[in-house]
Parts: sequence; C-alpha cells; structure tokens
Amino acid sequence: GENVEQHPSTLSVQEGDSAVIKCTYSDSASNYFPWYKQELGKRPQLIIDIRSNVGEKKDQRIAVTLNKTAKHFSLHITETQPEDSAVYFCAASMRTGANNLFFGTGTRLTVIP
Amino acid sequence: EAEVAQSPRYKITEKSQAVAFWCDPISGHATLYWYRQILGQGPELLVQFQDESVVDDSQLPKDRFSAERLKGVDSTLKIQPAELGDSAMYLCASRFGQVRETQYFGPGTRLLVL
Repeated sequence: GENVEQHPSTLSVQEGDSAVIKCTYSDSASNYFPWYKQELGKRPQLIIDIRSNVGEKKDQRIAVTLNKTAKHFSLHITETQPEDSAVYFCAASMRTGANNLFFGTGTRLTVIP
Repeated sequence: EAEVAQSPRYKITEKSQAVAFWCDPISGHATLYWYRQILGQGPELLVQFQDESVVDDSQLPKDRFSAERLKGVDSTLKIQPAELGDSAMYLCASRFGQVRETQYFGPGTRLLVL
C-alpha cells in the first residue's frame, strides 16, 4: 500500500514568516494530494488539494507544489498568523476507485506572535 | 453548511466492555469512511462503505470490531470487547461519490479505555 512520510514533525515560526511542510509518497499510482488542518480537539479540515496533472496550486497565503518524478509534495504558508497554529496532515490517494486516503504523521505548526 | 455528525464526542469505558459509535454523513454522500487516529499520528482507515456495502475493511480488526451501514445512510462502529490499545480518536468521513475526491470529516469520538 501507499506510505506517506511527513517532515518536520514540529515547526515554530515567527508571525509573518513563511512555513514549509514536506511530504513524500511511495505509490506512483497516487494522483490526489490533499492537506488537512486540525486544530486542537477539532475535526480535520481540508485547506488545499492538488491533482497529479498540476504542478502547483495557490489559494491566498497557502500554496502546494507537487513533483511527480520525485514523488514529493509540499505545503507553503506565507505571512503566517497565530491562527495558523495547528497540526497539518498531508495525504495521498487515487482519485478513483477506493480513494482511500493515506495520511502522513502530521506537523505541529506554532506561530509565535 | 452541512457537516458530518458523530456521537458521542467522548467515551470512557473499561476494558472488555462493548462500545458503539455513530456517524451521520453529509446528506447525499454515498461513500463513508471510519478512521482511527492515535494521538500524535495521522488517521488510518478502518473501513470504507459505498452506500450500504463494505468496499474495504482490510485494516479492521474483525475479531473485535464491526461496522454497519444498513440503509446506506448513517453508520455504526462497534468494539467488543474493548482493549487498552483501542484508546484513540475515531473519525468518520464522507465523500459525495467517485467523481468528487474531497472527504469531509466529523468531529470524532475520543475513546478512553481504562
């Protein structure tokens, strides 16, 4: 099955700085890569996703890049704010069929005011 | 905005007891997932339903776990008997169908087995 690795496990940045979280996947058949944000005690919320036919996607301060050849994808958050503090999970799946999501182990982001 | 509902939110039980969790997906979502999230880790799939049918239960410990979605709408996950290692967050997620990939998660049930 798919194996998703995520780094770093914890990340602290000053407010206004950028944060980057990186993930690698093992199954070249994976073609859908969502990122979820989970605040303490709350449900995971989808913040951005990317499909394998696209190399980069941006939504305001959040961007995701995908390198299919190297089988890695990254989340970029610019101009970080204290409310960005949460645990972020990357995931990989195939868009069709079972579409099971295989998650990374999470990155705890702390934005220091 | 419609959300996935789960109950209870918290459950404390003693080992060897039976527990059950309930999930109500977003209306119209044919696909339903149960995940287990151990503290400090990402969610891991336990079982996936397409309507009332099980699509994937390869990671479900079937000697003690069972799941059903009798009418293809809401779903119940049961553990009997519970073990200490079952302490975790149990998340339910739903998805519209094959053509839309996004999975929407419920708030989860946090289980503590004593």
